[in-house]
Amino acid sequence: GNSVTQMEGPVTLSEEAFLTINCTYTATGYPSLFWYVQYPGEGLQLLLKATKADDKGSNKGFEATYRKETTSFHLEKGSVQVSDSAVYFCALSYNDYKLSFGAGTTVTVRA
Amino acid sequence: SQTIHQWPATLVQPVGSPLSLECTVEGTSNPNLYWYRQAAGRGLQLLFYSVGIGQISSEVPQNLSASRPQDRQFILSSKKLLLSDSGFYLCAWRLVESTDTQYFGPGTRLTVL
Repeated sequence: GNSVTQMEGPVTLSEEAFLTINCTYTATGYPSLFWYVQYPGEGLQLLLKATKADDKGSNKGFEATYRKETTSFHLEKGSVQVSDSAVYFCALSYNDYKLSFGAGTTVTVRA
Repeated sequence: SQTIHQWPATLVQPVGSPLSLECTVEGTSNPNLYWYRQAAGRGLQLLFYSVGIGQISSEVPQNLSASRPQDRQFILSSKKLLLSDSGFYLCAWRLVESTDTQYFGPGTRLTVL
């Protein structure tokens, strides 16, 4: 079946540090890939997505590239801020349009 | 624009009591609707999804049930809550015709004591 494996946290960084959260997937065919973000006490917000191989999703300084050869969709940001502290979820969606989520990675950015 | 509402925002219930959580979507028609649960320190688990009024698919056997009495209303229920039902419940919708992206509501924090 389809599944997502996400880098375990928690991750603690200083402001302006580089952030990478690894995400790999297992799926038949060509799923769509997503990163969602959950700020404390809130629901999930779509951060970025990619629907086919080599697509790059980007938003709010975050980027992720759909790599079919390595079945990966790693999230990166060059310079994090305190406001980026949140839980980040990698997810995939296939023909049935049901999302399969990774376990989530808690990121804390310190001033 | 589309918006999604969930209520209540927080709920504390005793074991064995009934449950009803409501989700409504505005600004769209015939959305696919989803209920997810996020247990403490864990990822999200899909509980139910619906492609239309009265059409419910269950992903995980449990003591919860879902209903969709109207096009844009999705209800999560239980007759008798268990301690293990505690968690953060999220409703989501998807516009069928155009995208596979799901959009989430603000969630309901349920604590069963």
